[in-house]
Amino acid sequence: GAGVSQSPSNKVTEKGKDVELRCDPISGHTALYWYRQSLGQGLEFLIYFQGNSAPDKSGLPSDRFSAERTGGSVSTLTIQRTQQEDSAVYLCASSFAGQGIGGAFFGQGTRLTVV
Amino acid sequence: KQEVTQIPAALSVPEGENLVLNCSFTDSAIYNLQWFRQDPGKGLTSLLLIQSSQREQTSGRLNASLDKSSGRSTLYIAASQPGDSATYLCAVRPRPARYNQGGKLIFGQGTELSVKP
Repeated sequence: GAGVSQSPSNKVTEKGKDVELRCDPISGHTALYWYRQSLGQGLEFLIYFQGNSAPDKSGLPSDRFSAERTGGSVSTLTIQRTQQEDSAVYLCASSFAGQGIGGAFFGQGTRLTVV
Repeated sequence: KQEVTQIPAALSVPEGENLVLNCSFTDSAIYNLQWFRQDPGKGLTSLLLIQSSQREQTSGRLNASLDKSSGRSTLYIAASQPGDSATYLCAVRPRPARYNQGGKLIFGQGTELSVKP
């Protein structure tokens, strides 16, 4: 595709439910990044995938959060048993391997609201 | 723990004015520093990236400087225009401790810029 595509663009869920957020990176980009942006915390790193290497999960805030990247392309961020503090905009970005986050393109994000 | 601070939090200027946005960070062990722009409801757009060995980068009306020893960076915008209105974010990439840690950026809270016609 022309850019990084995220779906859904908006998601409202009830506290305690599980949600899945999807990211379609730019074709050919082997690196994929998830960040979240919340009012109180600003932008926070969540997880980084690079090719077949073990992902850097150091930013995931709790074990309720997990992410997968299937076939080196599409990624899904899953939040189990959602809490109100999970409400945020979840941003995905992708880049070519050698460029790192400095050469990444960001999607428009998924706005998650937990009620 | 690396912390990034941006001052001011918000800035309103008349069109045509030159302006400076400030960013400071607490740990000088950085790989690079990057300035982004964010428009409401949209993702981030990278503006300038300064490697740790560099002092400044320029793109059009934008100039970013880096003083690693003092933990400071500035973004200079010349001849501001209403289209420059957006939130400007500063982010540092820490030196990775492991090979797979190249994706982490630590962001400041941003400066919300409004340029009035």
